[in-house]
Amino acid sequence: AQSVSQHNHHVILSEAASLELGCNYSYGGTVNLFWYVQYPGQHLQLLLKYFSGDPLVKGIKGFEAEFIKSKFSFNLRKPSVQWSDTAEYFCAVNAGTGANNLFFGTGTRLTVIP
Amino acid sequence: DGGITQSPKYLFRKEGQNVTLSCEQNLNHDAMYWYRQDPGQGLRLIYYSQIVNDFQKGDIAEGYSVSREKKESFPLTVTSAQKNPTAFYLCASSTGGSFTDTQYFGPGTRLTVL
Repeated sequence: AQSVSQHNHHVILSEAASLELGCNYSYGGTVNLFWYVQYPGQHLQLLLKYFSGDPLVKGIKGFEAEFIKSKFSFNLRKPSVQWSDTAEYFCAVNAGTGANNLFFGTGTRLTVIP
Repeated sequence: DGGITQSPKYLFRKEGQNVTLSCEQNLNHDAMYWYRQDPGQGLRLIYYSQIVNDFQKGDIAEGYSVSREKKESFPLTVTSAQKNPTAFYLCASSTGGSFTDTQYFGPGTRLTVL
């Protein structure tokens, strides 16, 4: 079975610190990659996605993620976090061309201290 | 406001009873999905429907049933055959039926079976 690993369960940062959240997956074929975010009191929503092309993809609110095929990774980054980035972040993988699946990681809770 | 609604937010049922969770969307999306989230685990796909009057099993369909009689509605029934029904249930929708389409999530229903 495919798996998606997010090794950081809870990350605590001060405002202006840099952020990197890890995401690794186990599928060896074509993948489509997503980061979803859930802000407190809000619904889960898409942050960014990668299908093909430039492995560095930019999303909303200054977030970016880099697809490294050789490492089976899709880490999320932000150079300088804000208090409003406090949320839970989920990595998700669609494994296989045209495949009807979406595998989610367990999520990483980010707390940003003002 | 366009979006996805799930009701109720909290649901309690006695063991052995079937229970139906509601999911409605007014986004005019073709596809709808049901996920289950347990502590320490990622979202897992229960059922999905890419078009009205059609639905497919996801990774953990056993003990669940769905219907898709209307485009805007995709109710999930948790039957007494589901061995571990206590969980958080999330409904989502997307414009098309591809799993690479952005999914829009509802607020979720927390089901507790006593």
